Amino acid sequence: GENVEQHPSTLSVQEGDSAVIKCTYSDSASNYFPWYKQELGKGPQLIIDIRSNVGEKKDQRIAVTLNKTAKHFSLHITETQPEDSAVYFCADGGSQGNLIFGKGTKLSVKP
Amino acid sequence: DAEITQSPRHKITETGRQVTLACHQTWNHNNMFWYRQDLGHGLRLIHYSYGVQDTNKGEVSDGYSVSRSNTEDLPLTLESAASSQTSVYFCASSESAENTEAFFGQGTRLTVV
Repeated sequence: GENVEQHPSTLSVQEGDSAVIKCTYSDSASNYFPWYKQELGKGPQLIIDIRSNVGEKKDQRIAVTLNKTAKHFSLHITETQPEDSAVYFCADGGSQGNLIFGKGTKLSVKP
Repeated sequence: DAEITQSPRHKITETGRQVTLACHQTWNHNNMFWYRQDLGHGLRLIHYSYGVQDTNKGEVSDGYSVSRSNTEDLPLTLESAASSQTSVYFCASSESAENTEAFFGQGTRLTVV
């Protein structure tokens, strides 16, 4: 079945540094790759997504890159701030539209 | 504002009891999903529905069932609760089958003792 691998599981950075989280997927037919942020005690919330017809998408300090040939995509957060501390999940929209999630990355931004 | 709500937020139940978790969305979305979240496993899909009277099994569907009698609701039933079903459960909804944002509820923390 579909599988999403996400690394690292934990990431600690200093405020102002960049953070990168990487995911690989298995379904060659997949064409939608969202990233979700989950704060403590809340449900996940979409922060950015990318479709297979583009290789990169940027929204202020957040960017996502996609390499369909290698079947991997990455989240880049620049100029990190303490409020970026959360658990981040990548997901594969798959060929049937269900979101299959990675296991998550706990990001800690130290002031 | 449109929203998705889960109830209850917390529940403690005994092994063997039947439990139903409610999920209600006011976006008029066709698609609804149930996930469970456990440490080390992330979010795993339990069941999903693409519309009224449509239900499908996800990755971890054993011991769970859903029904979709209207657009707004997708209740999740644990037929006979087991300790392995202690988890945080999230409901989500989205507009169409592919390539659209899924909106999540706040979660239900279920403890089976």
